[in-house]
Amino acid sequence: GAVVSQHPSWVICKSGTSVKIECRSLDFQATTMFWYRQFPKQSLMLMATSNEGSKATYEQGVEKDKFLINHASLTLSTLTVTSAHPEDSSFYICSASEARTGKNIQYFGAGTRLSVL
Amino acid sequence: GNSVTQMEGPVTLSEEAFLTINCTYTATGYPSLFWYVQYPGEGLQLLLKATKADDKGSNKGFEATYRKETTSFHLEKGSVQVSDSAVYFCALTPNTGNQFYFGTGTSLTVIP
Repeated sequence: GAVVSQHPSWVICKSGTSVKIECRSLDFQATTMFWYRQFPKQSLMLMATSNEGSKATYEQGVEKDKFLINHASLTLSTLTVTSAHPEDSSFYICSASEARTGKNIQYFGAGTRLSVL
Repeated sequence: GNSVTQMEGPVTLSEEAFLTINCTYTATGYPSLFWYVQYPGEGLQLLLKATKADDKGSNKGFEATYRKETTSFHLEKGSVQVSDSAVYFCALTPNTGNQFYFGTGTSLTVIP
């Protein structure tokens, strides 16, 4: 089946630094990738939808200057948490949809646990 | 609008017990419905799906039937195992785009 690789799986950083998280579709092309944030014992909150070659669409309440998304190719999207603060500590999960028509399934990465000290 | 309402947990069952996790939805049009499972410390994995009314999705002993008349997609398993302990998410996509809508998740713990 389709595989989405997310890296790193866990990152610890100091307050004020920036962190980049990568999301790659390994064996399929993903015109659309999604970034979610998950708080402990809660559901996934969609942060933004990332389309290859265009600007990401952010959900209401998500700061686009804080969470920079780049989708430079059909297999790679990145999320950069800029000037991270402790309240940004969370589990971030990406997903990707196959580009083929009719395959409306999202494949998820394993997630990145961000801890900001 | 589109939304998913999922049975609140946590749910604790003994091994070999019968499992039901309720899921109902509201949607415009004809959505596809999914169950995803999240094991501790991991991302989400697709468990099963159904794309039209009366479809039954099944995988690893889990089943769910797309009931349009009751707008439901309840997850069932006849005999749970300790290894089924995880958080289960019901989700829908309205088929008019790629947006997914998730329920709040139900934590399942199976004890030996």
